[in-house]
Amino acid sequence: DVKVTQSSRYLVKRTGEKVFLECVQDMDHENMFWYRQDPGLGLRLIYFSYDVKMKEKGDIPEGYSVSREKKERFSLILESASTNQTSMYLCAIDQGGDTEAFFGQGTRLTVV
Amino acid sequence: QQQVKQSPQSLIVQKGGIPIINCAYENTAFDYFPWYQQFPGKGPALLIAIRPDVSEKKEGRFTISFNKSAKQFSLHIMDSQPGDSATYFCAAVVFSGGYNKLIFGAGTRLAVHP
Repeated sequence: DVKVTQSSRYLVKRTGEKVFLECVQDMDHENMFWYRQDPGLGLRLIYFSYDVKMKEKGDIPEGYSVSREKKERFSLILESASTNQTSMYLCAIDQGGDTEAFFGQGTRLTVV
Repeated sequence: QQQVKQSPQSLIVQKGGIPIINCAYENTAFDYFPWYQQFPGKGPALLIAIRPDVSEKKEGRFTISFNKSAKQFSLHIMDSQPGDSATYFCAAVVFSGGYNKLIFGAGTRLAVHP
């Protein structure tokens, strides 16, 4: 069974805080992704990484950064959380081509 | 600007009905079209997928119809069951080197009533 584990199911943070969302995979997949999911907007790509220490901006990178120091771990960082970053965050992995993307269970972040 | 347009936003059917979810795209560079199913509290999971050189694909009660010339594709769920109640996302994928870029539709919340 593929496991994509996100460190928290629910988080509540204050405006201006630095927030770390962690994702760990056990499949040795090259590619890891961070999406945010909002009602009526679907899933939107924030950042992705295709190798250790490599990262690429997705469609909505503003206000976020990422870190991939080890192949199995991909972190999403909100440098200074704002209320418009309240959302569901989903981590995913894949192997490229027409392979399946596997998602974590999501982290529901509320910024107050 | 949404590159993959999905409709309807929500759908209610009776058990045994055939819900149909539609998606349309503009970018002809898309190589692959998966559908994902998401239950509350869970991440999306791949349901079924199709390549653009195929017009139809069936897996169990789920069928994708693909119209390349119209740049549209749709999901049909035969003999729908209450357990099919979930949010469904269509997606379009561009293969780029060793990694994919998935563009998701906005999602359709399906409720199947007993």
